Amino acid sequence: QVQLVESGGGVVQPGMSLTLSCGGFGFTFSTYGMFWVRQTPGQGLEWVTIISNDGSNKYYADSVKGRFTISRDNSKNILHLQMNNLRAEDTAVYYCARARDGGHMDVWGKGTTVTVSS
Amino acid sequence: EIVMTQSPATLSVSPGERATLSCRASQSASSNLAWYQQKPGQAPRLLIYGASTRATGIPVRFSGSGSGTEFSLTISRLQSEDFAVYYCQQYNNWPPWTFGQGTKVEIK
Repeated sequence: QVQLVESGGGVVQPGMSLTLSCGGFGFTFSTYGMFWVRQTPGQGLEWVTIISNDGSNKYYADSVKGRFTISRDNSKNILHLQMNNLRAEDTAVYYCARARDGGHMDVWGKGTTVTVSS
Repeated sequence: EIVMTQSPATLSVSPGERATLSCRASQSASSNLAWYQQKPGQAPRLLIYGASTRATGIPVRFSGSGSGTEFSLTISRLQSEDFAVYYCQQYNNWPPWTFGQGTKVEIK
């Protein structure tokens, strides 16, 4: 069964760091680009970052550029999101999603919640 | 950046009726448009990609149409499990990949 499972969310203070992980199961992880998408409480969806299947290409939303880093370990079928200098506005549910055909998202994880609060 | 605008914000429909949701792009998205369904407490689920292709396992009552800047999602006969929030997303000009703000389909 194709599945994505996120982990690593939690409550952190502003300025601190957190790393999210996403494990891929039931498919050949190394052949797909991967997204992180977030959803603030009661709000819509926001693209955060994407990494190509081999990790050679990465793009970031302006709101996180310079603070967040996406990476992957294809030997372990795992995707990471390193989040530094967190702000209150980063509070959201973070989803990883599999990229298809230029950029739609065909498989989503259940999400992990990040709360940035003092 | 392509801005996606969905209308209406909320659509009240009776079960068994037809629902049509709209999505407008600020510039051409060609046919690189996807629709997602999200229920409370759940992750989004892909319904439609390529503006009109149903994703695996999606019932035929869901259909997508449009190209360029005007798109629509039609649910032919609403069932109870279809009451949810629906998002459109463009993947023609990136980065960024952009979503609409969502349309909530509620029971009338």
